[in-house]
Amino acid sequence: GDSVTQMEGPVTLSEEAFLTINCTYTATGYPSLFWYVQYPGEGLQLLLKATKADDKGSNKGFEATYRKETTSFHLEKGSVQVSDSAVYFCALLFSSNTGKLIFGQGTTLQVKP
Amino acid sequence: DAGVIQSPRHEVTEMGQEVTLRCKPISGHDYLFWYRQTMMRGLELLIYFNNNVPIDDSGMPEDRFSAKMPNASFSTLKIQPSEPRDSAVYFCASSLRQARMNTEAFFGQGTRLTVV
Repeated sequence: GDSVTQMEGPVTLSEEAFLTINCTYTATGYPSLFWYVQYPGEGLQLLLKATKADDKGSNKGFEATYRKETTSFHLEKGSVQVSDSAVYFCALLFSSNTGKLIFGQGTTLQVKP
Repeated sequence: DAGVIQSPRHEVTEMGQEVTLRCKPISGHDYLFWYRQTMMRGLELLIYFNNNVPIDDSGMPEDRFSAKMPNASFSTLKIQPSEPRDSAVYFCASSLRQARMNTEAFFGQGTRLTVV
């Protein structure tokens, strides 16, 4: 069935380091892809999204490109800040008319000063 | 709009008691989702509704769990009887379908349930 797989965490980086969090998916058809972020004690917030192949989503310095050939949607940021410390979730919206949204297991990012 | 509103924010109950979690989606949204988050299992989709009708409840762990959406502005997730392994954070989310595509889902702050 359709699924989302993220790299395991936690990921620990120093401030201003480059970030990559890998996300791959398995799906029939052409899903929409999302990255959500969860700060401690809060709900999930949309970070960025892409609705078709080769789209690039970007927000707050984060980017991810929808790669159909590799079924991937890796999250990147050129220079992380302490305030980026959070849990990041990759998510897939089924391409059928179901509206079903499923998430990867989440990757914890800790940025140290 | 105030966003997705969940209540209560925290709930502590004794094993065997009934627990009811509540959710008010964003006005106008036609999809509503219930998720459960634990350290071990991550974020699991329990059930979701479209226009108040349950579409997929395959994620509901067992018969002790039930969910309803009596109208477009309110949904409940009930656990009866509750067990310690139900302890988790439960999230409600809503989204809107426009032009044959769903918008992103908007999440509530969650209800942290502890069953002792």
